[in-house]
Amino acid sequence: EPEVTQTPSHQVTQMGQEVILRCVPISNHLYFYWYRQILGQKVEFLVSFYNNEISEKSEIFDDQFSVERPDGSNFTLKIRSTKLEDSAMYFCASSEGQLHTQYFGPGTRLTVL
Amino acid sequence: GENVEQHPSTLSVQEGDSAVIKCTYSDSASNYFPWYKQELGKRPQLIIDIRSNVGEKKDQRIAVTLNKTAKHFSLHITETQPEDSAVYFCAASKGYSTLTFGKGTMLLVSP
Repeated sequence: EPEVTQTPSHQVTQMGQEVILRCVPISNHLYFYWYRQILGQKVEFLVSFYNNEISEKSEIFDDQFSVERPDGSNFTLKIRSTKLEDSAMYFCASSEGQLHTQYFGPGTRLTVL
Repeated sequence: GENVEQHPSTLSVQEGDSAVIKCTYSDSASNYFPWYKQELGKRPQLIIDIRSNVGEKKDQRIAVTLNKTAKHFSLHITETQPEDSAVYFCAASKGYSTLTFGKGTMLLVSP
């Protein structure tokens, strides 16, 4: 069964550094998402992406964040200047369409020191 | 925006008992309600979902009910097993696919 994959599984960075989190959605899916989960808390929506543009974003997704689909398979989340409070598990998800099941990747644990 | 409340935050049951987790949502336009199971350190995995044109859906030991008038939906697990132990998240969505999650319920099934 196809799965969403993410790399790296764990990223440690210094405050102020840029990080890029990578995701490979399921191949026939058209909608892509990033969520984050601070340790012990609920999953929070960051951004959704369709047809090569952002379709919706949350208040968390400020100017420090950006997303890109650089080629036909990868979907990336960039944080330009990381802050301590960006430390969280970041999940990528994909779905065939609206109101379709969102399948989550295994997550990237980001630790900002 | 949408707000999803989930109760209880923790639930302990004996193996074989039933478990019920309840969620309420605020936006009457929400029309899709999935439930995800998350084991420690792993990805959330969909276990069942329901759309607003259906009042109940069942899949083996798992069922979900939806009351659109009251804006609440519930997850029912019967004949619980130790491997059901995990954190369960409800979520709501209204068509443009953003999922708003509840805070989660930690279910512990004791043998």
